[in-house]
Amino acid sequence: DQQVKQNSPSLSVQEGRISILNCDYTNSMFDYFLWYKKYPAEGPTFLISISSIKDKNEDGRFTVFLNKSAKHLSLHIVPSQPGDSAVYFCAASAYNAGNNRKLIWGLGTSLAVNP
Amino acid sequence: GAVVSQHPSWVICKSGTSVKIECRSLDFQATTMFWYRQFPKQSLMLMATSNEGSKATYEQGVEKDKFLINHASLTLSTLTVTSAHPEDSSFYICSAPRWAKDTQYFGPGTRLTVL
Repeated sequence: DQQVKQNSPSLSVQEGRISILNCDYTNSMFDYFLWYKKYPAEGPTFLISISSIKDKNEDGRFTVFLNKSAKHLSLHIVPSQPGDSAVYFCAASAYNAGNNRKLIWGLGTSLAVNP
Repeated sequence: GAVVSQHPSWVICKSGTSVKIECRSLDFQATTMFWYRQFPKQSLMLMATSNEGSKATYEQGVEKDKFLINHASLTLSTLTVTSAHPEDSSFYICSAPRWAKDTQYFGPGTRLTVL
């Protein structure tokens, strides 16, 4: 059962335009959401996060929006650059049985930004 | 710069041998580290939570006798793949959370190929 879903496996965008990556979740216990960027054969790199008490967080070209009622979040990249081409993972955080925080990952969306 | 290192970055071994992968947090202490596995074109799969000074917590379906985890210090966790078989070939990634910054930092990953 996929608790964090990224329904678009891939996305292609023209350089300079906006990239919108979507993520849906099912577990209302999640209280923190994160986006990571990953290049092949490398570990993920943290991009931006948002607490469940907020509905928007912005950091430079990256903005994350959270709609708790819809259990949906999205990552906006504007303007998109060719160097943004990578796989983007959405992750949701909750405490596990051992009172440690655990990340639940989506399957990722491969973004291609075309020059 | 990197805050979590992994060693080795890639390893090729014969079937039946054991392989040890090290994960180090470089400028902070991590009482908890996570070990992930990633298959091609799939998401990150959490294998286990490594706890300093106590036993690791394994996710359902992960064989604890096959994937031995030792968290010997606040900056080092090791994953040993015992009696490796070709189906263990994968990309293994560790992470160390910095919950004060509400994120996890990932190592660069280790590519394991079992012949």
